[in-house]
Amino acid sequence: GQNIDQPTEMTATEGAIVQINCTYQTSGFNGLFWYQQHAGEAPTFLSYNVLDGLEEKGRFSSFLSRSKGYSYLLLKELQMKDSASYLCASYSNYNFNKFYFGSGTKLNVKP
Amino acid sequence: EAGVVQSPRYKIIEKKQPVAFWCNPISGHNTLYWYRQNLGQGPELLIRYENEEAVDDSQLPKDRFSAERLKGVDSTLKIQPAELGDSAVYLCASSLSTEAFFGQGTRLTVV
Repeated sequence: GQNIDQPTEMTATEGAIVQINCTYQTSGFNGLFWYQQHAGEAPTFLSYNVLDGLEEKGRFSSFLSRSKGYSYLLLKELQMKDSASYLCASYSNYNFNKFYFGSGTKLNVKP
Repeated sequence: EAGVVQSPRYKIIEKKQPVAFWCNPISGHNTLYWYRQNLGQGPELLIRYENEEAVDDSQLPKDRFSAERLKGVDSTLKIQPAELGDSAVYLCASSLSTEAFFGQGTRLTVV
């Protein structure tokens, strides 16, 4: 089956660090994506993990554990513009290559 | 380089009327996706094309939805007749390998 779980909403303070967790159950798993989506805008690519471990890209890092079906997105030095929804998506090469998206985590960054 | 272009951005129609959405993917991207995104939810795949071939349309409600991608470039998604429950944002995405790039979407409101 295909199942993606992530928290619905989180709040954090400007300048702080926040971790958004995602668990997945995906047949034919072949990678985990994180997208950022501001209200009324298109999802934009943040990161892609296919192997276990941490991928760092500026203020954003993403971690994957394939054995645990678990990923997180870490945002450091939060800025007000980071207020957005963060979508976790697993990529499957089973029954046609496709993305399975979670419902998204709405992050509110407060001053 | 231009991103994925969709039109119109917004559409309001009465139920039972037809509606069509247009997508121009990034040049050279063979894979094209149509997603539907309801408020507070992640995108859900409707159909995926590889060039002009629909390789995954298992989630497309074929009684009222249709899509085409003539010449393997631009694509249109049509709903006829529209129902109130079709109100959502319709996102088009394209990819060359794994990462998908999204357009800004068409927000459909059926009244």
